[in-house]
Amino acid sequence: QVQLQESGPGLVKPSETLSLTCAVSGYSISSGYYWGWIRQPPGKGLEWIGSIYHSGSTYYNPSLKSRVTISVDTSKNQFSLKLSSVTAADTAVYYCAGPRPDGMATSFDYWGQGTLVTVSS
Amino acid sequence: SYVLTQPPSVSVAPGQTARITCGGNNIGSKSVHWYQQKPGQAPVLVVYDDSDRPSGIPERFSGSNSGNTATLTISRVEAGDEADYYCQVWDSSSGLYVFGTGTKVTVL
Repeated sequence: QVQLQESGPGLVKPSETLSLTCAVSGYSISSGYYWGWIRQPPGKGLEWIGSIYHSGSTYYNPSLKSRVTISVDTSKNQFSLKLSSVTAADTAVYYCAGPRPDGMATSFDYWGQGTLVTVSS
Repeated sequence: SYVLTQPPSVSVAPGQTARITCGGNNIGSKSVHWYQQKPGQAPVLVVYDDSDRPSGIPERFSGSNSGNTATLTISRVEAGDEADYYCQVWDSSSGLYVFGTGTKVTVL
């Protein structure tokens, strides 16, 4: 059974860096195509933040690119998100998600339960 | 950047058919995926690669994609289908993932 689990602080101060980690169990990150981070502000839609391949290749949402870093640790079967210089507008539920182990699947077949990150002093 | 447009809401009576559209420039050339999200829950993939269903998703959910519009069809709608639905594509030219604006399906 494939499971993704986000972890990290639920409260971050303005101007600081948001850091989250997604632990994957049930299959190897190296078997999938791109793994991603997606967020959802309260009452709003889904916003793709960025994605990473097990080799470390990344793609970022252009609107966030200057502040986002996504990294992968295949030895721990996990990947991480850092978002710098956060403001209240970054308050959202953050999800990690991944593809089925099917070569070049571009869908997000598996999702974490999501973690609410609030930006506030 | 690539934009996917969905109607904000769709209302349907139980037992009827709901159709949710996802508009994008030449979307027919891309693989479209659909997610269902109920309040307080993570999204669930219900259709991938235009028209395939993951294991466990009822046959009532089907998809199509052509030209500038992709469509998710929910047949014989049930009260439990009430949720927000999002389309998503991967733009191979840029490597970027894009979500649609989302559609709230209300079962009357």
